[in-house]
Amino acid sequence: GQNIDQPTEMTATEGAIVQINCTYQTSGFNGLFWYQQHAGEAPTFLSYNVLDGLEEKGRFSSFLSRSKGYSYLLLKELQMKDSASYLCAGMDSNYQLIWGAGTKLIIKP
Amino acid sequence: GAVVSQHPSRVICKSGTSVKIECRSLDFQATTMFWYRQFPKKSLMLMATSNEGSKATYEQGVEKDKFLINHASLTLSTLTVTSAHPEDSSFYICSARVITETNLQETQYFGPGTRLLVL
Repeated sequence: GQNIDQPTEMTATEGAIVQINCTYQTSGFNGLFWYQQHAGEAPTFLSYNVLDGLEEKGRFSSFLSRSKGYSYLLLKELQMKDSASYLCAGMDSNYQLIWGAGTKLIIKP
Repeated sequence: GAVVSQHPSRVICKSGTSVKIECRSLDFQATTMFWYRQFPKKSLMLMATSNEGSKATYEQGVEKDKFLINHASLTLSTLTVTSAHPEDSSFYICSARVITETNLQETQYFGPGTRLLVL
């Protein structure tokens, strides 16, 4: 079956670095998405990986290993506004999104 | 975990026809469902909030007469794209909101999306 696993909740300190892991099993693979969602708001696109490796975009980086079915989102220099839920979603061969349950990231001063 | 399904997963239609997309919560009841539209590599755009038994609330710029939403039951919401045109081609995603009774925490569960192509 198809499945996305990510931790339910993580806590980190302002200014620090946090890595949110995601493992996926999809029927075929057409990429891995990361979204950020603040409470009561629509998800915001963060990254899309379809090839192995690390993609850096400012304070946020996303990594993909297709052979391991694994991705992570790396957030550097954490700010209080980074407190949000982070959703991992894999796209299968039919271009359908398989969503993780989201990781709630709590940033402490 | 909670599952949200969408049907159809993809649809191709001719310009001028109407297309209905269903969003179902499979193992829970959802008084509120959301409809989003996604453009390639962009954020999800919230189109409307669908509340069971009442009219949907549309976001600014979304034509309510073109995108008809019906939330007839606690497990089903439908989005009908009326008189579809090529510019309506997109990826439509629904989500269902759940508020846990124990700690009143809100969670959204997302559907797999429906790819619409209007020729």
